[in-house]
Amino acid sequence: DSGVTQTPKHLITATGQRVTLRCSPRSGDLSVYWYQQSLDQGLQFLIQYYNGEERAKGNILERFSAQQFPDLHSELNLSSLELGDSALYFCASTKGEGFGTQYFGPGTRLLVL
Amino acid sequence: AQTVTQSQPEMSVQEAETVTLSCTYDTSENNYYLFWYKQPPSRQMILVIRQEAYKQQNATENRFSVNFQKAAKSFSLKISDSQLGDTAMYFCAFMEPFGNEKLTFGTGTRLTIIP
Repeated sequence: DSGVTQTPKHLITATGQRVTLRCSPRSGDLSVYWYQQSLDQGLQFLIQYYNGEERAKGNILERFSAQQFPDLHSELNLSSLELGDSALYFCASTKGEGFGTQYFGPGTRLLVL
Repeated sequence: AQTVTQSQPEMSVQEAETVTLSCTYDTSENNYYLFWYKQPPSRQMILVIRQEAYKQQNATENRFSVNFQKAAKSFSLKISDSQLGDTAMYFCAFMEPFGNEKLTFGTGTRLTIIP
């Protein structure tokens, strides 16, 4: 158990819908990272937050957004869902910036029908 | 942009044998981190081992060790006395610290341990 929690574990929805994925980092960790794992794109970095502020963006679609709240949990919002958004979405956390090791949550498996 | 290449899509080895997974990367940076993550059928991403580029000594964690060749930009993972529980996808990953801390992953190697 990495100490990072993600909810829900599984999500099935329809095209055009909007969903919210939630992540709670390990106790004491200030940085949260979101990754997408899909069959065709592999593991890709989406976005990073540090202590409530956006720090870095990767290949994140405009239909996707994220935020980190004062209690340090983070949410990833996916809207106008398409079939190709079906993937495993991971959250990872570290203590701060430059501390290296990212510990991953169990992931949320999203299926868009 | 940094790239990570894992040239072995699949490997298999008999239980108790030793296996080496290959990884190469491309970067112009001098200071960075390298990781191996394991993803078993549960799909959880589990850290196996980490190497800081400024350290010349190769990292080891029990049965897992790396061969880090900085000049060659090579970072292979050796698993000794392989066990059935080692069956998983293994991902090599690269990270720059301080300002660009995203992990860049390779495409993975599917390792099967044969009883």
